[in-house]
Amino acid sequence: DAGVIQSPRHEVTEMGQEVTLRCKPISGHDYLFWYRQTMMRGLELLIYFNNNVPIDDSGMPEDRFSAKMPNASFSTLKIQPSEPRDSAVYFCASSLGLIAYEQYFGPGTRLTVT
Amino acid sequence: AQKVTQAQTEISVVEKEDVTLDCVYETRDTTYYLFWYKQPPSGELVFLIRRNSFDEQNEISGRYSWNFQKSTSSFNFTITASQVVDSAVYFCALRGSNQGGKLIFGQGTELSVKP
Repeated sequence: DAGVIQSPRHEVTEMGQEVTLRCKPISGHDYLFWYRQTMMRGLELLIYFNNNVPIDDSGMPEDRFSAKMPNASFSTLKIQPSEPRDSAVYFCASSLGLIAYEQYFGPGTRLTVT
Repeated sequence: AQKVTQAQTEISVVEKEDVTLDCVYETRDTTYYLFWYKQPPSGELVFLIRRNSFDEQNEISGRYSWNFQKSTSSFNFTITASQVVDSAVYFCALRGSNQGGKLIFGQGTELSVKP
């Protein structure tokens, strides 16, 4: 089975531009998570969905960030407008359940905002 | 509050040495789950193991072994006869049953295995 798929793998954009990151979870997984990884803050949970519904978005840094999951096989994380401090690796992960289940991570999207 | 501490920021060993990566956690939940992930230079996060708070049996998988001790709130990871391919950043993570599903990661230990 295919793992979690993310696109693009790398994104370089200028400050002020809109950025959209995409994720396809593992088929049959009911939970989808978005994380951000930086040297300073490590791995941070931004938001997660259960059956396409956002459950906890308390980790979303500010209103410039938004995430959607229109169906069970697709999610987007959008940053508008982007800022240099948004530069990070963004990971999508999915899991069968929440508490007792491991998460499987995608390869990540390395975002650079200049 | 939940917290995971990986006190070793970087470890360097020579191939075939054994190495232990330390993980200490804090939680008030009686039911919780511990995880280890590997992040090789290519960047992806690879799941290695999950352990629940009611199972203190040590686990061995090939050259990898895990020692879970509730008395010291530790979940240490040992690689026996390390290989260059083991070079990666290793993350310990915790999820408590009453924490809304959040997975709390430690800061990671960067392991460098030299030939």
